[in-house]
Amino acid sequence: QVQLQESGPGLVKPSETLSLTCTVSGGYISSYYWSWIRQPPGKGLEWIGYIYYSGSTNYNPSLKSRVTISVDTSKNQFSLKVSSVTAADTAVYYCAREQVLGYCSGGSCYAPPDIWGQGTMVTVSS
Amino acid sequence: DIQMTQSPSTLSASVGDRVTITCRASQSISTWLAWYQQKPGKAPKLLIYKASSLESGVPSRFSGSGSGTEFTLTISSLQPDDFATYYCQQYNSYLTFGPGTKVDIK
Repeated sequence: QVQLQESGPGLVKPSETLSLTCTVSGGYISSYYWSWIRQPPGKGLEWIGYIYYSGSTNYNPSLKSRVTISVDTSKNQFSLKVSSVTAADTAVYYCAREQVLGYCSGGSCYAPPDIWGQGTMVTVSS
Repeated sequence: DIQMTQSPSTLSASVGDRVTITCRASQSISTWLAWYQQKPGKAPKLLIYKASSLESGVPSRFSGSGSGTEFTLTISSLQPDDFATYYCQQYNSYLTFGPGTKVDIK
């Protein structure tokens, strides 16, 4: 049974870079799309972006300039970096695996995340 | 950008009630829509994908319908475990979630 676990600092200073890693266990990172999603306290869900195991990425246009997602297949991990953070980036950050079957158009594929990590709270504060 | 709206934002219901939540997209998304259930402190759980396909292991009292811009999630007979917040999500272009519908006890 595939499980995902987020790890990283729970507190980041304003203007610095938030870095998180998601470790995949019980299965291989190959042949799937892997997403990051966040949820500010008491608010809704926001998709940050995804990476395919091959390394191709797709980001939420509203965050694209500050986000980098990378993958390390040898460690069965993928990572998130968000630069120049502000208090608005305070949220629970989830990593997730997208379903195999989705919708592809114009070279991009999208599917609903079906397996999620438990989430990790990141607070941006000095 | 495709925007998602949900109604109502809060729904008070009793065990055994039939519950319907509506989700609308700002443009047509065919049937590229999913529904999630989230309980406090937990990650969302996928219930429905492709508008009406039930995810494995999800009780059959949950059903989804719709296409284009209007979709519904129906719980045929609300159970105690169903009190939660429900989100729709489109995956026609990027991924966008609706603002959520909280189902609480009447």
